[in-house]
Amino acid sequence: EVQLVESGGGLVKPGGSLRLSCAASGFTFSSYSVNWVRQAPGKGLEWVSSISSSSTYIYYADSVKGRFTISRDNARNSLYLQMNSLRAEDTAVYYCASSLSPTHPETPGYWGQGTLVTVSS
Amino acid sequence: QSALTQPASVSGSPGQSITISCTGMSSDVGGYNHVSWYQQDPGKAPKLMIYDVSNRPSGVSNRLSGSKSGNTASLTISGLQAEDGGDYYCSSYTSSSTLVFGGGTKLTVL
Repeated sequence: EVQLVESGGGLVKPGGSLRLSCAASGFTFSSYSVNWVRQAPGKGLEWVSSISSSSTYIYYADSVKGRFTISRDNARNSLYLQMNSLRAEDTAVYYCASSLSPTHPETPGYWGQGTLVTVSS
Repeated sequence: QSALTQPASVSGSPGQSITISCTGMSSDVGGYNHVSWYQQDPGKAPKLMIYDVSNRPSGVSNRLSGSKSGNTASLTISGLQAEDGGDYYCSSYTSSSTLVFGGGTKLTVL
């Protein structure tokens, strides 16, 4: 069974930093692209970033470019999101979502339960 | 990248059919067949219901179907059931190799 478990969320002051982690199990993590998707309280889904299976291709939403860094460690079956210069508008539940299959890198098929990041003074 | 456009809400009675639209541009919905639909219950993670415009993952009811015409994709649910209620989001791959989501549609089963 595919499992994605996010951690690292919490309360941080504006301008601060936070590192999110996502532990994957139940599938060959190293063969799948993975995404971070966030959802502000009461709002819709917003794609944040994606990383290909071997980290060759990395993309970011304009809203986080230059502040967030996505990375992965295939040996540890883990995905990360380093978030710097955090703003109030970054407050959201952050979901880790793997692609549906190695041949569907553009489709987030499996999702974790999310971790809440709150940016407030 | 602007969000895809979805109606804020849709409703229907049990047994009826409803359709949710998702409008984008030629650089996303119109240019690729990588349109997906997700159902989200309150406080839960999104669940993939349709991928590549019209394909259903294993375990998803065949009462759900997807289609696309030009820059607009659609999700149709036939034979509405109470369990179909919730928020629905479309997403599309884009020409920038990113993903974009719709604003979401709240489906109410009356």
